[in-house]
Amino acid sequence: KAGVTQTPRYLIKTRGQQVTLSCSPISGHRSVSWYQQTPGQGLQFLFEYFSETQRNKGNFPGRFSGRQFSNSRSEMNVSTLELGDSALYLCASSLTGSTGYTDTQYFGPGTRLTVL
Amino acid sequence: AQKVTQAQTEISVVEKEDVTLDCVYETRDTTYYLFWYKQPPSGELVFLIRRNSFDEQNEISGRYSWNFQKSTSSFNFTITASQVVDSAVYFCALMYTGNQFYFGTGTSLTVIP
Repeated sequence: KAGVTQTPRYLIKTRGQQVTLSCSPISGHRSVSWYQQTPGQGLQFLFEYFSETQRNKGNFPGRFSGRQFSNSRSEMNVSTLELGDSALYLCASSLTGSTGYTDTQYFGPGTRLTVL
Repeated sequence: AQKVTQAQTEISVVEKEDVTLDCVYETRDTTYYLFWYKQPPSGELVFLIRRNSFDEQNEISGRYSWNFQKSTSSFNFTITASQVVDSAVYFCALMYTGNQFYFGTGTSLTVIP
């Protein structure tokens, strides 16, 4: 099975711009989660989508948003970019069973965003 | 509050030495899940192991072994006969129902040839 794929792998933007990152989960996985990784804050949870609905959200401002399509692919968008948004953005997918949603998450290679 | 502590920021060992990475967690939930992930320089987090709170059995997989002790809230990871390819950042993570990880700050392991 192919793993989680993320595009693009690298991105350079300037302050004030907006950016859209894409994530394709492992085939059959219906949950997609997004994380931000920075040297200062470490790995932080952004949000999780399941069946095209946001199910969980971390403590990030509204400039960070996402969506999930019917084929489980997901995009996240960051508007009005700030220097502090420079980070590695990781996407993870999981199956999610019917009795709860604590399945193992499998991560993609990430998108490295640099804001100048 | 849920919390994961990896007190060792950086560890260096010589190839073939054994090394243990510590992980201490904090949760009030009785049902939770613990994970270890490896992050090589390429950036992708590679899943290593998952352990449920009700299963305290230790696990061995090749050169890797994990010691889960609820009494001390620890989930330590040992690499036996380390190799240069083991060089990476290792993350311990806690999850309870909700599919949201609480990651530790990671331990950077360097294996010197």
